[in-house]
Amino acid sequence: QKEVEQNSGPLSVPEGAIASLNCTYSDRGSQSFFWYRQYSGKSPELIMFIYSNGDKEDGRFTAQLNKASQYVSLLIRDSQPSDSATYLCAVVIIQGAQKLVFGQGTRLTINP
Amino acid sequence: NAGVTQTPKFQVLKTGQSMTLQCAQDMNHNSMYWYRQDPGMGLRLIYYSASEGTTDKGEVPNGYNVSRLNKREFSLRLESAAPSQTSVYFCASSEGPGGYPTDTQYFGPGTRLTVL
Repeated sequence: QKEVEQNSGPLSVPEGAIASLNCTYSDRGSQSFFWYRQYSGKSPELIMFIYSNGDKEDGRFTAQLNKASQYVSLLIRDSQPSDSATYLCAVVIIQGAQKLVFGQGTRLTINP
Repeated sequence: NAGVTQTPKFQVLKTGQSMTLQCAQDMNHNSMYWYRQDPGMGLRLIYYSASEGTTDKGEVPNGYNVSRLNKREFSLRLESAAPSQTSVYFCASSEGPGGYPTDTQYFGPGTRLTVL
């Protein structure tokens, strides 16, 4: 089992709809979770981090964390074509030496 | 502020050649990192430096060496390039010190390296 797993997509969502991106992780003890956005040919940039169970909202973005089920998700409300990018989930794995593990990313396309 | 800068942006090498990738940050961050990104593999940590004067291996260090030249600069060297090292290389920094793995990381624009 991969330490951090994402559906690579592509995920296609109509403009104005809610885009839902999911990420599962293997380490039950993980405490820190990050979502990065990466436009094609560009570098990753942090969108949100979340440490506590539940929801964290920032503008059109909501991160949801469920530690019992070991998944973290990112919701994008009122999706815009400019949201088309690859979204990387990153999890701090604490089994053994602590490390930050990135998922392979989900490619999201917002269709006008 | 330029943030994190990397040179070169693109490079083509022949098998066995050597080269150094340069990275600099102007955010007064203590920790710096080198990643590689391959299709379907996500970002994988090669080496990191928790503070000036220290370096540690990451997940995929074989075939690479690093130097933390000063607080601003962190270079990655390929001594004898191999086709398996064809990848996009990202440098990143975080406030730290010892910020890995929980600090927010800020990434440079990347270097696209092809080894023939």
